[in-house]
Amino acid sequence: AQSVTQPDIHITVSEGASLELRCNYSYGATPYLFWYVQSPGQGLQLLLKYFSGDTLVQGIKGFEAEFKRSQSSFNLRKPSVHWSDAAEYFCAVGARTGANNLFFGTGTRLTVIP
Amino acid sequence: SQTIHQWPATLVQPVGSPLSLECTVEGTSNPNLYWYRQAAGRGLQLLFYSVGIGQISSEVPQNLSASRPQDRQFILSSKKLLLSDSGFYLCAWTASPSGTADTQYFGPGTRLTVL
Repeated sequence: AQSVTQPDIHITVSEGASLELRCNYSYGATPYLFWYVQSPGQGLQLLLKYFSGDTLVQGIKGFEAEFKRSQSSFNLRKPSVHWSDAAEYFCAVGARTGANNLFFGTGTRLTVIP
Repeated sequence: SQTIHQWPATLVQPVGSPLSLECTVEGTSNPNLYWYRQAAGRGLQLLFYSVGIGQISSEVPQNLSASRPQDRQFILSSKKLLLSDSGFYLCAWTASPSGTADTQYFGPGTRLTVL
């Protein structure tokens, strides 16, 4: 069965510092992987996705993520965090069968301090 | 371009009252549609998905039901709300046929509070 683990419930970083949000997945085949961001009271916005090919994927807002099959990970990174990046971040794995369902982690809340 | 709408944006309902949340998608045909619930401090739980009109699959047993009366309309309902139904409800869609890679795009959500 598919599952996603985001081990960090809450992370606080200073503005301008680098950021890495961790995501580990469990899936029996090569997964589809996603990172979404959610501002308070809003829907989810896609940051980036991995389907195949280059394991380092670039997304919007200066984010990137690297798929590491050997570690079953898809960590999200940003070299310099901006105050507007404060939000909740969700990692998700997509099934390659069925109705394209996604399985989400429990999220990591990012706080940015000036 | 495609857009997804949800209404109402917020809803406060008493226990035991009925519920109807609506989701519509514009700019695409025959989408896969999804209902998720997000409880406070928790991740997203898939409630229902639909691959076509009248085709509903339920992921978890619960007090809720879903219907798809039109191609781009997805409705979440309940006959009698429970306190545990409170949460943030998100609708999503994807364009590709089942079993192929695609992104899910989310609506703005409905905040439901059951008192």
